[in-house]
Amino acid sequence: AAGVIQSPRHLIKEKRETATLKCYPIPRHDTVYWYQQGPGQDPQFLISFYEKMQSDKGSIPDRFSAQQFSDYHSELNMSSLELGDSALYFCASSFPGQGGETQYFGPGTRLLVL
Amino acid sequence: RKEVEQDPGPFNVPEGATVAFNCTYSNSASQSFFWYRQDCRKEPKLLMSVYSSGNEDGRFTAQLNRASQYISLLIRDSKLSDSATYLCVVNSGGYNKLIFGAGTRLAVHP
Repeated sequence: AAGVIQSPRHLIKEKRETATLKCYPIPRHDTVYWYQQGPGQDPQFLISFYEKMQSDKGSIPDRFSAQQFSDYHSELNMSSLELGDSALYFCASSFPGQGGETQYFGPGTRLLVL
Repeated sequence: RKEVEQDPGPFNVPEGATVAFNCTYSNSASQSFFWYRQDCRKEPKLLMSVYSSGNEDGRFTAQLNRASQYISLLIRDSKLSDSATYLCVVNSGGYNKLIFGAGTRLAVHP
């Protein structure tokens, strides 16, 4: 079965650079979530989108922004990168989109900021 | 205090053992509950949803006590392949976002 696709899988950036992470949800899933997992930490919710509209917002820094496109893929844009942004970034998707449906996670993008 | 609390372990058990993990959550409005497993440097994978009536999937049994805000996972006949971190996860009460516990590490040895 098709799974959530994330790209790139690995990314190395320097401080103050920008990064764009992409997420392609499971076909027919209309809700996308972004999570950040720091070393030795549990995943922390950043932001979610349902039908291309932001549906919830968590501990996402102002330097980060995200959107969902008409084909339901999502991009997380990260600017002025800091060392502390080094983490695994997971995207998850669910269907039909509201209230507690099971979320399926992509393999993650491992971001290293030097 | 974290919204979802778990014993971090590690639990070191021999093959064939039965092991139980517990979890408590603080948001009484939480509506959906899950156990995910996460292998090192990999994504969380859904193990099972947890229902008030309790549910079983093969060697895995999950229980939910809403009154006590307590969730459990029982693994019977442990296999080496069960070695992983088990994440107790709840939704945040009417919204989509998931709140994760810190995870319980399980190591099954021969």
